[in-house]
Amino acid sequence: DAGVTQSPTHLIKTRGQQVTLRCSPKSGHDTVSWYQQALGQGPQFIFQYYEEEERQRGNFPDRFSGHQFPNYSSELNVNALLLGDSALYLCASSLSVTQYFGPGTRLLVL
Amino acid sequence: GIQVEQSPPDLILQEGANSTLRCNFSDSVNNLQWFHQNPWGQLINLFYIPSGTKQNGRLSATTVATERYSLLYISSSQTTDSGVYFCAVGVSSGGSYIPTFGRGTSLIVHP
Repeated sequence: DAGVTQSPTHLIKTRGQQVTLRCSPKSGHDTVSWYQQALGQGPQFIFQYYEEEERQRGNFPDRFSGHQFPNYSSELNVNALLLGDSALYLCASSLSVTQYFGPGTRLLVL
Repeated sequence: GIQVEQSPPDLILQEGANSTLRCNFSDSVNNLQWFHQNPWGQLINLFYIPSGTKQNGRLSATTVATERYSLLYISSSQTTDSGVYFCAVGVSSGGSYIPTFGRGTSLIVHP
């Protein structure tokens, strides 16, 4: 049984560019959440998708958007990248309350 | 929102030592998880423990929900225990649950 997978593992972008990160949930999980983890901090909640709809959203600007597909996989899009968007982006999937995390995508914005 | 404080922020141990990590939270919760983040960034579930005590090998956890804290015990520590330990808490409502993470305890175990 494959766990949560994310792609790519690493990414380097320049300010102003756009980026798309991808997540495949654990088999049988229907809910996907995205988190941003800055260096030395705990993960911060971005948003959660359930049944292809954004169910909840954290305190992140509209530059951060997402999508969930019928197979429950998900994308995180960030527009107009800023230096401060450099972080580890984590995806978590769940069926109930217990969340399982993927390995993350390390984004560096230059 | 809920405030989560973890202590100590940093911990350095010799292999074989025991340790206790603490998580305090500011409001009533019905969900609490402990995670271990390895040096490559992977968050690994350790315990789902909104109340009571659980044990898994050398690790155990206790949550006293009425007093708003949880403890993670690591016995006979090994170098592979190194990493950051996070506590995440929250309240589930209508099938939705958004955990709030603490800042973590960074553990280094020396051989």
